Amino acid sequence: SNELTQPPSVSVSPGQTARITCSGHALPKQYTYWYQQKSGQAPVLVIYKDTERPSGIPERFSGSSSGTTVTLTIRGVQAEDEADYHCQSADFRGTYTMFGGGTKVTVL
Amino acid sequence: EVQLLESGGGLAQPGESLRLSCAASGFTFSDTAMTWVRQAPGKGLEWVSSITASGVTTFYADSVKGRFTISRDSSKNTLYLQMNSLRAGDTAVYYCARVLGSSALDWFDPWGQGTLVTVSS
Repeated sequence: SNELTQPPSVSVSPGQTARITCSGHALPKQYTYWYQQKSGQAPVLVIYKDTERPSGIPERFSGSSSGTTVTLTIRGVQAEDEADYHCQSADFRGTYTMFGGGTKVTVL
Repeated sequence: EVQLLESGGGLAQPGESLRLSCAASGFTFSDTAMTWVRQAPGKGLEWVSSITASGVTTFYADSVKGRFTISRDSSKNTLYLQMNSLRAGDTAVYYCARVLGSSALDWFDPWGQGTLVTVSS
């Protein structure tokens, strides 16, 4: 099916590592992008083309890809990283794009 | 600084129409694909539509195809979304965003602050 699947929530203690997965059948063929959305704010791009980090995004944010699953990793999580994280990718043929359901990251 | 400012949201009854606008500044609008993404209250993001830099090619989610029309006016640096036959399920915050990459379906950066559309009788 043409869907992106994310876990609804991830909890992590400050200073630890958070890993957020996104699964989809087309991911081996299409790039994935990640957005951070804090409460009441617009989304912000944190990873593009699976692993690239835009300027201004802290180095603790990284992306990786393996088969039909891509992962956003946040190392040394800080309280300010508490937010919803959304993955985005296209279908096999590149005729439309879509988002995963989003993952709420809670910093304990 | 790249800025995107949406307007045109508000309350509409089912079956009515609304036109959203997105005023862009800080980059060469005529060289850049653009997109609309929406977020229903308490829900995730849903891609709505994208348009190439030239405006020749458009893309739509199945949920809005045939009802919504994306367009752009490069003389005004403005992106539009004409929404017809509105339904309750169209209630959401609508964001416009600049598209980066080689395709109108690549990554979105930055995003505007959004405009709320409420469809209710």
